[in-house]
Amino acid sequence: EAGVTQFPSHSVIEKGQTVTLRCDPISGHDNLYWYRRVMGKEIKFLLHFVKESKQDESGMPNNRFLAERTGGTYSTLKVQPAELEDSGVYFCASSRGYIQYFGAGTRLSVL
Amino acid sequence: DAKTTQPPSMDCAEGRAANLPCNHSTISGNEYVYWYRQIHSQGPQYIIHGLKNNETNEMASLIITEDRKSSTLILPHATLRDTAVYYCTPYSGAGSYQLTFGKGTKLSVIP
Repeated sequence: EAGVTQFPSHSVIEKGQTVTLRCDPISGHDNLYWYRRVMGKEIKFLLHFVKESKQDESGMPNNRFLAERTGGTYSTLKVQPAELEDSGVYFCASSRGYIQYFGAGTRLSVL
Repeated sequence: DAKTTQPPSMDCAEGRAANLPCNHSTISGNEYVYWYRQIHSQGPQYIIHGLKNNETNEMASLIITEDRKSSTLILPHATLRDTAVYYCTPYSGAGSYQLTFGKGTKLSVIP
């Protein structure tokens, strides 16, 4: 069974540009989550989808971040426009129940 | 939300048992204690969870004190591959499925 996969593994962009991160959850997992770790700080929750619906987006930092999960399968997280403080590692996780399975993350570098 | 306290770092000799403590004195009655770890450059990995009884699986054992204010994760025979940051987090799944990661314990397994 394939695990959670994230694309790209690393993205380098300039301040003001747009970046889209993608997450493919484990097949059959209705729950999908985004987390991030910025500037050596703790891993923080961003949001939670149940199928295509946003269940909890309390961790989204501001309206420059847009997450979608059309059709309840893969999800994208768009940052537009990117700022320097958005640099960090973005993790996606999925679950059928309470145990969350994480992808390897996308390292975002905003220059 | 319950707050956890973990030692920032620990060393363990290869082949010996690693005992990682966690204080969660404000845990509520319906919250489980979940343990995850993050090996360098990978996403967090689920290890084990428990409510009030001791638990064991193929990866580790979890000892929870009777008052549930603290727990210990035990890796019975640590290997070099167990070098990672270990996180304990209370989690109920009620209302919000978000995991809360603190600073964790950096476990270094020494040859």
